[in-house]
Amino acid sequence: EAGVVQSPRYKIIEKKQPVAFWCNPISGHNTLYWYRQNLGQGPELLIRYENEEAVDDSQLPKDRFSAERLKGVDSTLKIQPAELGDSAVYLCASSLNTRETQYFGPGTRLLVL
Amino acid sequence: SQQGEEDPQALSIQEGENATMNCSYKTSINNLQWYRQNSGRGLVHLILIRSNEREKHSGRLRVTLDTSKKSSSLLITASRAADTASYFCATDDYGNNRLAFGKGNQVVVIP
Repeated sequence: EAGVVQSPRYKIIEKKQPVAFWCNPISGHNTLYWYRQNLGQGPELLIRYENEEAVDDSQLPKDRFSAERLKGVDSTLKIQPAELGDSAVYLCASSLNTRETQYFGPGTRLLVL
Repeated sequence: SQQGEEDPQALSIQEGENATMNCSYKTSINNLQWYRQNSGRGLVHLILIRSNEREKHSGRLRVTLDTSKKSSSLLITASRAADTASYFCATDDYGNNRLAFGKGNQVVVIP
């Protein structure tokens, strides 16, 4: 069974540029999560989807971050414009339902110069 | 916001030795989970222990939970070089349907 797929794996951009990350969850998983992991820290939730509905986006910086999960499968996380402090690893995870075990993708490592 | 606080934050042991790490948390939880993260990779779920459980085993892993002290421990027995990784505890808090991760323990197993 394929795991959670993320792309790109690495991205280097200059500040003020836009950037987008893509995630394909495990087939049949209804819940999708986006996390940000800063260096030396644990992941912090940005947004959680139940199917196509964003049910917890309280920690998403909405002035520059946006996300969508069209048709309740793939998801895209966008930052526009990027700031130096956005440099981090962006992790996508999925689970059958909320409170089930979460399976993480390999992450996208973003460097903003 | 970070919830669990792992201790020690860095641990270096010889292959074959046991590794023990602790996690403390602050709120009431539904369950506590441990994850492993190898360098440059995503997190892998290791084990989940529910709030009404005190101990759980999975292969070479043993997890304990003391809800009165709000703490958990992860024991890796007979460590291998492949166990070199960062280990995170994460609490599933009542009320917010959200996993809160600690900062992680870095474990290095020397062959």
